[in-house]
Amino acid sequence: AQSVTQLDSQVPVFEEAPVELRCNYSSSVSVYLFWYVQYPNQGLQLLLKYLSGSTLVKGINGFEAEFNKSQTSFHLRKPSVHISDTAEYFCAVTRGGSYIPTFGRGTSLIVHP
Amino acid sequence: EAGVAQSPRYKIIEKRQSVAFWCNPISGHATLYWYQQILGQGPKLLIQFQNNGVVDDSQLPKDRFSAERLKGVDSTLKIQPAKLEDSAVYLCASSLVVTAEADTQYFGPGTRLTVL
Repeated sequence: AQSVTQLDSQVPVFEEAPVELRCNYSSSVSVYLFWYVQYPNQGLQLLLKYLSGSTLVKGINGFEAEFNKSQTSFHLRKPSVHISDTAEYFCAVTRGGSYIPTFGRGTSLIVHP
Repeated sequence: EAGVAQSPRYKIIEKRQSVAFWCNPISGHATLYWYQQILGQGPKLLIQFQNNGVVDDSQLPKDRFSAERLKGVDSTLKIQPAKLEDSAVYLCASSLVVTAEADTQYFGPGTRLTVL
C-alpha cells in the first residue's frame, strides 16, 4: 500500500516570495505522482504530474516539482507567488496497476500582500 | 469543453434521512470516480466506474452507500440512511481513457453535505 505525507498543513508566505510545498510518499513499487490545486468552493485541478523521464516537471501557473526517488519526495515549488495562488494543494500518488489514487491531507498556501 | 457537472452544490439533511447526488462527466470520458472529502483531509476514493461497470468499490460503505452509472454516462451516488460522519464534500471526477492509473482526472465543484 502507498501513503502520502504532506509535511505542512499551512504555509504562509508574502506575495512575490518563493515557496516550496513538501510531499513525501511511501511505496514499494513504481509510482505516478500528482499535484492538484483546490480553490475555495471548487473541485481539484491538476497542476502537474510525474510519470517517467525527467525528474523536473513543469506545470501550469508557473509551478514545478522535482521527483527524488532516493528521498521518496515530490516537492512543489514556485519562484514567485501571487495572491491568486492562495488555495489548498494536494499531493497524490497512484502505483502501476492500481487505479486508486492516494491523496495527502493537503497544504493550505496563504499568500499575504 | 464543458467540465464535470454536479448537483446539488449544497445539501443539509438530518441523520437517518436519504440523499442523492448527481454527476455528469465530461463528454466521452470512460472513467468516472466518486470521492469523499472530509474537512481537513484529502479526497478518498469511494467508487470507480469504467463505462457503466464498477472497477473498484472496495472503499464504499455498502451498507448505506450505493452508486450507479446507467448507460455509461452520468452517475448518482446515494446515502441511505445518512450518519453524522457522512458530512463531507462529495467530489465527482472523470478521465478519458480506460487505463486511468496515470491519466488526468477532471473534477467537478463538489456537493457539500451537512448531516445534522
